[in-house]
Amino acid sequence: EPEVTQTPSHQVTQMGQEVILRCVPISNHLYFYWYRQILGQKVEFLVSFYNNEISEKSEIFDDQFSVERPDGSNFTLKIRSTKLEDSAMYFCASSDRAIHSYEQYFGPGTRLTVT
Amino acid sequence: AQKVTQAQTEISVVEKEDVTLDCVYETRDTTYYLFWYKQPPSGELVFLIRRNSFDEQNEISGRYSWNFQKSTSSFNFTITASQVVDSAVYFCALSEAGTGANNLFFGTGTRLTVIP
Repeated sequence: EPEVTQTPSHQVTQMGQEVILRCVPISNHLYFYWYRQILGQKVEFLVSFYNNEISEKSEIFDDQFSVERPDGSNFTLKIRSTKLEDSAMYFCASSDRAIHSYEQYFGPGTRLTVT
Repeated sequence: AQKVTQAQTEISVVEKEDVTLDCVYETRDTTYYLFWYKQPPSGELVFLIRRNSFDEQNEISGRYSWNFQKSTSSFNFTITASQVVDSAVYFCALSEAGTGANNLFFGTGTRLTVIP
């Protein structure tokens, strides 16, 4: 069964460093998403991406964040200058419909630890 | 603005008991979608169910059942004859049709512990 994959599973970085989190969505999906979950808290929407551009973004997704689909398979989240509060689990998700309602399939997550 | 409330932070039950996880939502959209996801200790998010706002039929899938009531803005989830493998955090989520990409708004989750 196709699945969303994410690498690395755990990333440790120092404050102020840039990190890139990588995701490979399910191959025929059209919508891509990033969410984050601070330890013990709820899952929060960051950004959605469709047709090679951002569809929506939350207040969390400020200028320090960017997303890219550099080729036909990868979908990346970049944090330019990490802060301690960026420590969280980051989930990538993809959806196979360009209209509403269809479920999003989540990857296993990347745990980011900023020290 | 949209909101999802899961008032039960933690629930513990003994194996084989039934348990209901509550979810109350707020939205101004007339078309919206409700979801339940399971997050086991390993951390991944597992899709359980999607329900659209026009379909109030209850659904049963094995030991799982869902009760959607628009009149009370609730979408509750019941596990019958709970098992230890059901121990996880369960998230209810809302997606509004008015948002172009139907991003999900999650509740704070309910941690279910099933005691053997």
